[in-house]
Amino acid sequence: DTGVSQNPRHKITKRGQNVTFRCDPISEHNRLYWYRQTLGQGPEFLTYFQNEAQLEKSRLLSDRFSAERPKGSFSTLEIQRTEQGDSAMYLCASSQAGSRRTEAFFGQGTRLTVV
Amino acid sequence: QKEVEQNSGPLSVPEGAIASLNCTYSDRGSQSFFWYRQYSGKSPELIMSIYSNGDKEDGRFTAQLNKASQYVSLLIRDSQPSDSATYLCAVSNSGYSTLTFGKGTMLLVSP
Repeated sequence: DTGVSQNPRHKITKRGQNVTFRCDPISEHNRLYWYRQTLGQGPEFLTYFQNEAQLEKSRLLSDRFSAERPKGSFSTLEIQRTEQGDSAMYLCASSQAGSRRTEAFFGQGTRLTVV
Repeated sequence: QKEVEQNSGPLSVPEGAIASLNCTYSDRGSQSFFWYRQYSGKSPELIMSIYSNGDKEDGRFTAQLNKASQYVSLLIRDSQPSDSATYLCAVSNSGYSTLTFGKGTMLLVSP
């Protein structure tokens, strides 16, 4: 399967713990995005990378959130000191730069539950 | 602030009917428009993209774009129960790569 892959699929953590999610984009895609989705809402943009450079971060991304894409391939999203309000589906997407036709394809998502 | 508005639904149609889903957006600089389908508990799946005014057809799906009215729509012909899902409208500005999503419209197709 050459689609976007996210791990883990589900994560239950206690409030105050740190969690890390991984995303492997479609291999030829150099843009990678993180979104967060809560029940009844559309996905909300968190951050995006072009290759290894983090080009944009949403104001939603508090200082407890950090994302990396060290070699321009896979990416990790870490949440420190988790809060119950962090419970959501975390979605990764990738697309190919070089065109205005920025079709983005999503992975299966990581569902985070903070208890 | 960029906004994308959709009726949350549910929109209920009988099997075989045409389902019409609508979306408006606030940013006149928007250049790229997408429809994603999302089944309950799953991630969004891209089903249509449109970049120019007019209609774009792909199988049972037709996307319509009117930039002057800042309006995008998705028509689903011969609706099937398997089309029952939430349909997300997403918009992108050519100066950015990120998508702004609406809250989605839930479609229910009854047999």
